[in-house]
Amino acid sequence: AQKITQTQPGMFVQEKEAVTLDCTYDTSDQSYGLFWYKQPSSGEMIFLIYQGSYDEQNATEGRYSLNFQKARKSANLVISASQLGDSAMYFCAMREGRSAGNNRKLIWGLGTSLAVNP
Amino acid sequence: DAGITQSPRHKVTETGTPVTLRCHQTENHRYMYWYRQDPGHGLRLIHYSYGVKDTDKGEVSDGYSVSRSKTEDFLLTLESATSSQTSVYFCAISPRDQGTDTQYFGPGTRLTVL
Repeated sequence: AQKITQTQPGMFVQEKEAVTLDCTYDTSDQSYGLFWYKQPSSGEMIFLIYQGSYDEQNATEGRYSLNFQKARKSANLVISASQLGDSAMYFCAMREGRSAGNNRKLIWGLGTSLAVNP
Repeated sequence: DAGITQSPRHKVTETGTPVTLRCHQTENHRYMYWYRQDPGHGLRLIHYSYGVKDTDKGEVSDGYSVSRSKTEDFLLTLESATSSQTSVYFCAISPRDQGTDTQYFGPGTRLTVL
């Protein structure tokens, strides 16, 4: 079973509007981390935002915020005031377990393609 | 800028030939990773390293080997390339001092096996 599910293969949003990209995860660990990355058409992978499972507040980074709902096991990315440059693929990822030892691997979703319309 | 470079950035090769991709970092991070990215599969981990000469397999390691003789370099080798290994290959590093395991990526290498 997939541990990271991104149910929206493609999304459209009007410039200057907010958009939410969905991510649900599955883990039995109490300690874990959740990440969002952006991949524009140029191909590079860009880290956007991180949320730890014990963080009490939702993470925010500029126009990006992570709507973390632990009970629902969801970690949705919210982009406020969309810009044309936000058009890209967005990937959700998870680190299971505590950040310790050598097992520092991430589990990745399949991504959501976001198109921002002028 | 995480100081990660990958070489070559593009390569076309023929089936059966050996290929080595290089990942170089400038900041002495301990953890390094090799991924491949294919449509419909997202990012899949090939191998990773947690120190010099310390490596382990990821989920799609068959047909690939790695070496790390220096902290700054992590090499991915396809001993005998096949068309199924046509992909975009990404290297990533994870700084040990963040406590989050955030991974930062190189620019990628586009490999085509004819």
